[in-house]
This record gives sequence, structure tokens and C-alpha cells, in this order.
Amino acid sequence: KAGVTQTPRYLIKTRGQQVTLSCSPISGHRSVSWYQQTPGQGLQFLFEYFSETQRNKGNFPGRFSGRQFSNSRSEMNVSTLELGDSALYLCASSQRLIGTGSTDTQYFGPGTRLTVL
Amino acid sequence: QKEVEQNSGPLSVPEGAIASLNCTYSDRGSQSFFWYRQYSGKSPELIMSIYSNGDKEDGRFTAQLNKASQYVSLLIRDSQPSDSATYLCAVNMGRSYNTDKLIFGTGTRLQVFP
Repeated sequence: KAGVTQTPRYLIKTRGQQVTLSCSPISGHRSVSWYQQTPGQGLQFLFEYFSETQRNKGNFPGRFSGRQFSNSRSEMNVSTLELGDSALYLCASSQRLIGTGSTDTQYFGPGTRLTVL
Repeated sequence: QKEVEQNSGPLSVPEGAIASLNCTYSDRGSQSFFWYRQYSGKSPELIMSIYSNGDKEDGRFTAQLNKASQYVSLLIRDSQPSDSATYLCAVNMGRSYNTDKLIFGTGTRLQVFP
């Protein structure tokens, strides 16, 4: 089974621009979460989506947004980029099911390295 | 107080020794706990998940959970140089049942020397 895929792998933007990152979960996985990883702050939770609905949100400003499509693929968007947004953005998926048998083990994609100049 | 705390290390152990990694968490209602390993420049990979008090063993790895003390640990037996990486403790603090919100510690860097 193919793992979590993220595109693009590397991105360079300038301050003030916006960026959209894409994530395709493992086949059959319905929950997608996004994380930001920086040397100073470590791995921080951004948000979680399930069935096209955001269910959990981290402590990030409104410039960070996301969405999920009916095929469980997800995108995150960062508007008005700042230098501090330079980071590795990781997507993870889990096989959340409706009702019993759900598992919350998350598997990570390779990440998108965003550099803001 | 941070939600999930780990010693940043580095923790240095000789090859063949037992490495012991510790983690504490703040949310007493948390039910799911994970250990991930991250090599430099790579994404985190799952080592163990644990949900019940006690020990869970998988090969050279043993996870231990004590919910009363809000404490999770990972033991690596017969440590190998290839185990040298950063080990991340994660706790699911989703705001309701059956949702995902992994909160990570800052990670412990493990160095295994020959």
C-alpha cells in the first residue's frame, strides 16, 4: 500500500505571498492532520480533517487554513507569508472509522520544506 | 507547563546497552500514546503505540505507560548505532473521542556509540 504523499517537496516563496500544499493520505485513511516542524518549536499540530470537516485545531493564526476533499485528499494554505513560516510541513493520515474498529495511529508523509525569503 | 515533556538529551549509550527514554504529559484524560523515531532530514516514523497501563513489547522496543503518574517511557534493548536518532513522544489530545490531535514533546536525541 502506498504511503502518505505530499507535494511539492520543496518550495521557495517571498514574504507576503501565499502557498498551497497538498497531501494524499494512505488509501482507506479518512483522517488527515497537518503539522509544522521548526528547530525552535519542534513538531506543532496545525489541524485535523475528517470527512471534509475540521475537527481539531492548533494554536496558529488564521493565515493558516486547510480543507479536505471527498476523496480524503487535503490541502493547507498559508496566506501573507512571514519569514517565521519557514518550516517543514508534515501531513499524517490515520484510519479513522465511523463506529468501532477505529485506530488513531498516524503515519507521516515526507513533508514539504517551505522557505520564505 | 508544556503539554508533553521530554529531556532533549543527547542521551549517549554504548552499543548493546539499554537506552531509556522518558516522557510526561499534562492531560490526565489522554488515552493514546505514541513513540516516533526521526532521523535527521526525514519525517517521523512510528515505533510503538500504547493505550493501556503496563508494558508493551515489540522486538527490541518496550513501551511503558503509567496513567496515574502521567508517564510514558520507551526502552530500547541491545542498542545499535542505527538507533541513533531523535525519539519523539506524542499524546493524542483530541477534543473529543475518535478525533486526532497529536501533541509532541521536543524529542530526545539518542546517540549509540560503537
